[in-house]
Amino acid sequence: EDQVTQSPEALRLQEGESSSLNCSYTVSGLRGLFWYRQDPGKGPEFLFTLYSAGEEKEKERLKATLTKKESFLHITAPKPEDSATYLCAVQLANDYKLSFGAGTTVTVRA
Amino acid sequence: GAVVSQHPSRVICKSGTSVKIECRSLDFQATTMFWYRQFPKQSLMLMATSNEGSKATYEQGVEKDKFLINHASLTLSTLTVTSAHPEDSSFYICSAVPNSGNTIYFGEGSWLTVV
Repeated sequence: EDQVTQSPEALRLQEGESSSLNCSYTVSGLRGLFWYRQDPGKGPEFLFTLYSAGEEKEKERLKATLTKKESFLHITAPKPEDSATYLCAVQLANDYKLSFGAGTTVTVRA
Repeated sequence: GAVVSQHPSRVICKSGTSVKIECRSLDFQATTMFWYRQFPKQSLMLMATSNEGSKATYEQGVEKDKFLINHASLTLSTLTVTSAHPEDSSFYICSAVPNSGNTIYFGEGSWLTVV
């Protein structure tokens, strides 16, 4: 059965304290792994798509990496505005739809 | 970046009535759109895949006669919650896949409250 597991569930950081979020997956065939940011009461905002092991993508303080079993979202020197729930989702090779993990809620204190 | 718009953002309806939520891709065409439901502090649950020109594909356990989906054009999909009950109150979110790419963009979501 295809599964997407995110850890930790919640992460509290001090401003400037870098950390990483994990998304592990077991799927029969991966087309792509997506990262989104979701603010309370809003729809998910697209961050990255990774397609193959070894691929990395960066955007401002965020960097996403992918292996054959997991993906990491690194947050470097976070600011309070980085506080949000970060969702990862897998897209299977034979479909466009996304299966989401439960998310990691990040809180960055000034 | 690409924009997906949902309307209304918030709606309150009486129990037993129907309510329609629109999802529009504003700057790209999308043959495929998706509808999700999200409960507080939970992740997104896929309800159905909406395909322009054909019937929607519903996920297991989602009542197709209750959640009617119509993909009328390459930029518009609608979700109609029929005979709404309080347990249908939730945050409904749509997403769209541009015909020219694979990135999936989400709308801002629609809060439905059934009283």
